[in-house]
Amino acid sequence: NAGVTQTPKFQVLKTGQSMTLQCAQDMNHEYMSWYRQDPGMGLRLIHYSVGAGITDQGEVPNGYNVSRSTTEDFPLRLLSAAPSQTSVYFCASSPTYIWRQETQYFGPGTRLLVL
Amino acid sequence: ELKVEQNPLFLSMQEGKNYTIYCNYSTTSDRLYWYRQDPGKSLESLFVLLSNGAVKQEGRLMASLDTKARLSTLHITAAVHDLSATYFCAGTADRGSTLGRLYFGRGTQLTVWP
Repeated sequence: NAGVTQTPKFQVLKTGQSMTLQCAQDMNHEYMSWYRQDPGMGLRLIHYSVGAGITDQGEVPNGYNVSRSTTEDFPLRLLSAAPSQTSVYFCASSPTYIWRQETQYFGPGTRLLVL
Repeated sequence: ELKVEQNPLFLSMQEGKNYTIYCNYSTTSDRLYWYRQDPGKSLESLFVLLSNGAVKQEGRLMASLDTKARLSTLHITAAVHDLSATYFCAGTADRGSTLGRLYFGRGTQLTVWP
């Protein structure tokens, strides 16, 4: 299993540009989520999905869109990039039900710089 | 929304010493997680604490959960340099059987020196 994969690893954007951060998992996990990590901060939840076709907002959803057409993929779209979106983005996945005593598995991250 | 506070945020300790990182959370949380992050890397799961009084140990790290006090601790015994990393705790405000959304503390940056 590759686990959770993210592309690209690094990206530089100009203010106003749009882009899509890709996330895929091969563990057949129902639950997927996107976080951002800023220096000196913990991770903050952007959007999450409990299954294909179902998404919801997290703590900091503004400026981001998501969709979930398959179990495996959960892309994050930046509609019009702003310098405040400079951050490291992590995708995570997990089974939904805790009796498996699972945790969330994180991808390697995408470092985004918006100029 | 769950508020999670960790302290200390920075911890510098000598090899061989013991110390405890504290994680307080604002509302009832069914579960508490501890993660480790090395510089420039992703998060690695350390512990999942599912019930009041839960204690888990792995090597020099031991985590515990007191749901009544809304407190989890990560105890480091006889620290070694390899433990240098940032440690995060995270809780979930979602009840019942679903894993749900995680809320993270700001992290404790641990440096172990000879």
